[in-house]
Amino acid sequence: EAGVTQFPSHSVIEKGQTVTLRCDPISGHDNLYWYRRVMGKEIKFLLHFVKESKQDESGMPNNRFLAERTGGTYSTLKVQPAELEDSGVYFCASSTGQETQYFGPGTRLLVL
Amino acid sequence: AQKITQTQPGMFVQEKEAVTLDCTYDTSDPSYGLFWYKQPSSGEMIFLIYQGSYDQQNATEGRYSLNFQKARKSANLVISASQLGDSAMYFCAMREGIAGGYNKLIFGAGTRLAVHP
Repeated sequence: EAGVTQFPSHSVIEKGQTVTLRCDPISGHDNLYWYRRVMGKEIKFLLHFVKESKQDESGMPNNRFLAERTGGTYSTLKVQPAELEDSGVYFCASSTGQETQYFGPGTRLLVL
Repeated sequence: AQKITQTQPGMFVQEKEAVTLDCTYDTSDPSYGLFWYKQPSSGEMIFLIYQGSYDQQNATEGRYSLNFQKARKSANLVISASQLGDSAMYFCAMREGIAGGYNKLIFGAGTRLAVHP
């Protein structure tokens, strides 16, 4: 069974540009989560989808971040416009419910 | 407020010895779950072990065991017979509300473990 996949693995962009991160959860997992770890800080929750609905988006830092999960399958996280402080590793995780969250390999974002 | 504390930024252990990574937590919710994840240098987050707040026994998964002391609010990870491949960053995490629908994980700062031959 394939695990959580994320694309791209790395992204280097300039301040002000737009970047879109993609996450494909484990097949059959209705729950999808986004987390990020900015340099030197802890891994922080961003938001949680149940199927295509946003269950909890309390961790989204500001309105430059937009997450979607059309059709309840893969999800995208768009940052527009990107700022320097957005640099970090963005993780996606999925689960079947209240169970263990399985993480993807992360996308390393560097904003110059 | 929910919080996870990992007080050891770095740990060293000799190959084949056991090592304990500390984790304390703070929550007012009687229902919660505790997790440990391993992050090797390649960057992926690997689930290791889970302990529910109502579980009577300490969780074990192969060489990993969780020393759960509920009264002290600690959930230390014990790795027995360390291997070179255990060298990685280890994160303790908590999810509140096993039955309540709060699914987000709160992470500690992590402990970097180095296993020496």
